[in-house]
Amino acid sequence: QKEVEQNSGPLSVPEGAIASLNCTYSDRGSQSFFWYRQYSGKSPELIMSIYSNGDKEDGRFTAQLNKASQYVSLLIRDSQPSDSATYLCAVKENTGGFKTIFGAGTRLFVKA
Amino acid sequence: NAGVMQNPRHLVRRRGQEARLRCSPMKGHSHVYWYRQLPEEGLKFMVYLQKENIIDESGMPKERFSAEFPKEGPSILRIQQVVRGDSAAYFCASSRFSQGATNEKLFFGSGTQLSVL
Repeated sequence: QKEVEQNSGPLSVPEGAIASLNCTYSDRGSQSFFWYRQYSGKSPELIMSIYSNGDKEDGRFTAQLNKASQYVSLLIRDSQPSDSATYLCAVKENTGGFKTIFGAGTRLFVKA
Repeated sequence: NAGVMQNPRHLVRRRGQEARLRCSPMKGHSHVYWYRQLPEEGLKFMVYLQKENIIDESGMPKERFSAEFPKEGPSILRIQQVVRGDSAAYFCASSRFSQGATNEKLFFGSGTQLSVL
């Protein structure tokens, strides 16, 4: 059973701080990794994708990937109250139907 | 520039009734995925379909659940004889190409909240 594991939180950070969200996955062959943001009662929204080891930056977001450790993380710099949401880590299988498997999500609260 | 369209937004059924959830993918997308989300939980994969084909239904319960994506019209997720445990948010996502493409992403609809009384 391929799995994606996240700390459910909640993770609480003050406004302006760096929020660090972590994720581990079990399928060693996976090549595609995503972070989705989901506000309460809304649908998931893609915010970052990463395919190679290392860091990928997009505005205030940085995704980090370490395939050897099977570890993905998301850093949010200068956190804002509007970043308060559940962040879902997603990993695409590398075999079969190549379906995307989601973690249970980490709830982030940014305190003003 | 319509995104993934799901309807109805909310669906209330009594135990034993049938629920039909509809999903129209983004324009140009021919791959559809259904996910279920229980409160405070992540998205659980149910089924992956292309036009007229079921590609992967490994996440769908063997009984009462079925899905189709006909040549014309939306994809349908059908739940027969619903039970209270079926109450959840059901999300549809679409992609243009097969998920076998490394950088192919999913775009989600607004979801259908199913409540079984």
